[in-house]
Amino acid sequence: EADIYQTPRYLVIGTGKKITLECSQTMGHDKMYWYQQDPGMELHLIHYSYGVNSTEKGDLSSESTVSRIRTEHFPLTLESARPSHTSQYLCASSARQGISYEQYFGPGTRLTVT
Amino acid sequence: KNQVEQSPQSLIILEGKNCTLQCNYTVSPFSNLRWYKQDTGRGPVSLTIMTFSENTKSNGRYTATLDADTKQSSLHITASQLSDSASYICVVSDRGSTLGRLYFGRGTQLTVWP
Repeated sequence: EADIYQTPRYLVIGTGKKITLECSQTMGHDKMYWYQQDPGMELHLIHYSYGVNSTEKGDLSSESTVSRIRTEHFPLTLESARPSHTSQYLCASSARQGISYEQYFGPGTRLTVT
Repeated sequence: KNQVEQSPQSLIILEGKNCTLQCNYTVSPFSNLRWYKQDTGRGPVSLTIMTFSENTKSNGRYTATLDADTKQSSLHITASQLSDSASYICVVSDRGSTLGRLYFGRGTQLTVWP
């Protein structure tokens, strides 16, 4: 089992609140990712990072922002939460295995905005 | 357009029975194909990863096959157990970038009944 952690696991907040979803990994991986997943749907990449001070937007447009000040930490922030942000957010990190990169996922944060 | 299609969308089987899940993809240029198991409320966990030169790969009761010519893969589960109840996600990676862009299917929701 990979050592990648997400907190909180569940969060219910009101519209307009600022929230930060935490993600940490203890494997020293350079690459980290944030995905958004709705029930019964595929994962969509919203942010990724190649390493410290590197962040890029993914394929799915998101109003969230991320930062990568330390290798092990990749938090995601929503400045003003809205009901449309209700979803599951999965953090992942990757390491090279042979010719490909294996991604390890955290347990996810289930966010509900009322 | 790079896509990953999985079938069936959901499947119910009795404990002890075998089942096969299907994945068709159009991702190009192809790098590798992975099968993940995602328990409810958890992050995906890797079961197998195959490159274009591999036809079959096993992980315990899970056996994945890959036909790179027809761009099809299957995941066969033998002697199913209640703990096999989960969503099984097919993920294809391309060779177009250092990131190794991942394309996710929507998953097959497997339910194993006693």
